[in-house]
Amino acid sequence: EAQVTQNPRYLITVTGKKLTVTCSQNMNHEYMSWYRQDPGLGLRQIYYSMNVEVTDKGDVPEGYKVSRKEKRNFPLILESPSPNQTSLYFCASRMSGVGSGAEAFFGQGTRLTVV
Amino acid sequence: AQKVTQAQTEISVVEKEDVTLDCVYETRDTTYYLFWYKQPPSGELVFLIRRNSFDEQNEISGRYSWNFQKSTSSFNFTITASQVVDSAVYFCALSLNRDDKIIFGKGTRLHILP
Repeated sequence: EAQVTQNPRYLITVTGKKLTVTCSQNMNHEYMSWYRQDPGLGLRQIYYSMNVEVTDKGDVPEGYKVSRKEKRNFPLILESPSPNQTSLYFCASRMSGVGSGAEAFFGQGTRLTVV
Repeated sequence: AQKVTQAQTEISVVEKEDVTLDCVYETRDTTYYLFWYKQPPSGELVFLIRRNSFDEQNEISGRYSWNFQKSTSSFNFTITASQVVDSAVYFCALSLNRDDKIIFGKGTRLHILP
């Protein structure tokens, strides 16, 4: 089954304690991205990756890191989480190729609370 | 700059009523794609439809229909004979032909009351 898998689904952590949210897709998609969803703000892109070893900032990258060492994996790293990073996070993948117009597939979301 | 506006933050209708969710987009590109996604209370994002800028044909899928009008830069979504299971947040999104980024609107929360 084609899917994007995120872990964990729920996470409560303390300010400053490094954490990683994993994301894996089995569709051989080149493009992957991370979004955060906050009430009234919709989905905002944090980082994206066009392919292995190629990453770039989205609209709200501050406080986050990503890596793309393998095509299928795109972890999101919070080196020193702060309460304003409390949010619902989604990983997405998409068949790339400019002009493909393909839809994005989303993971089930990670609800992160930083206290 | 590209932008997607969903002016309706929240809508409540009684079951079996028809409801239309508005989506207005902005782009100067001539080739682009429009999407609708549904986010039910369980939280996942479910793809509903994709339209490219050259296809203005309206689409119907069961109780769902979409009206794409380039003249008004709108891509509205209508649910006919709404059901409680339609309660969700609905997102409209825009993707340009020249890159892979998808720009989302802020979503419309739809409540279908029994």
